Amino acid sequence: AQKITQTQPGMFVQEKEAVTLDCTYDTSDQSYGLFWYKQPSSGEMIFLIYQGSYDEQNATEGRYSLNFQKARKSANLVISASQLGDSAMYFCAMRELNQGGKLIFGQGTELSVKP
Amino acid sequence: ETGVTQTPRHLVMGMTNKKSLKCEQHLGHNAMYWYKQSAKKPLELMFVYNFKEQTENNSVPSRFSPECPNSSHLFLHLHTLQPEDSALYLCASSSHNGGDPGELFFGEGSRLTVL
Repeated sequence: AQKITQTQPGMFVQEKEAVTLDCTYDTSDQSYGLFWYKQPSSGEMIFLIYQGSYDEQNATEGRYSLNFQKARKSANLVISASQLGDSAMYFCAMRELNQGGKLIFGQGTELSVKP
Repeated sequence: ETGVTQTPRHLVMGMTNKKSLKCEQHLGHNAMYWYKQSAKKPLELMFVYNFKEQTENNSVPSRFSPECPNSSHLFLHLHTLQPEDSALYLCASSSHNGGDPGELFFGEGSRLTVL
């Protein structure tokens, strides 16, 4: 069974608008962490934001926020005020803390920001 | 230099060649990883090393042979590869201090083409 699911292969957003990228996950562990990464065309994976399973507040980092709904097992990424430089692949990932440090990634969403 | 550095960035090899990918991290991390990223697929975890010891081999074919001489260096030795092994190979490192989320820091990847 797939542990991380990103159902949007591609998304378009107008510059300066907000966009939500979906991510659902599957785990029976109580302790886990959720991550979002950005991958520009250069290939490097850039860490954006982290949410721990016990964190009560949604994580925020600048224009990025994570809409964490634990009961629904979803961890959607919200990018506010989109910029042309936000065009990239975005990956959701999970680490189950009893599985060591490895991250399991979703299929990714390709975001294109239109001027 | 800082961060995670991968060399070479691009590699083209025949099926009978032997080559190696190199990864070096300057972050003082104790865990290192190899991931494979094929087109239209999620990142696939290949190997995990903690304190130079291999802790995970995700059913990777023996034509891929990892080596971790110390906590800062990780190699992936390649021999008799197949065309379907063509992909972007990403190296990552992380620390496990318990207090931080333990996000993975990635290199820019080595793009491998097998002819």
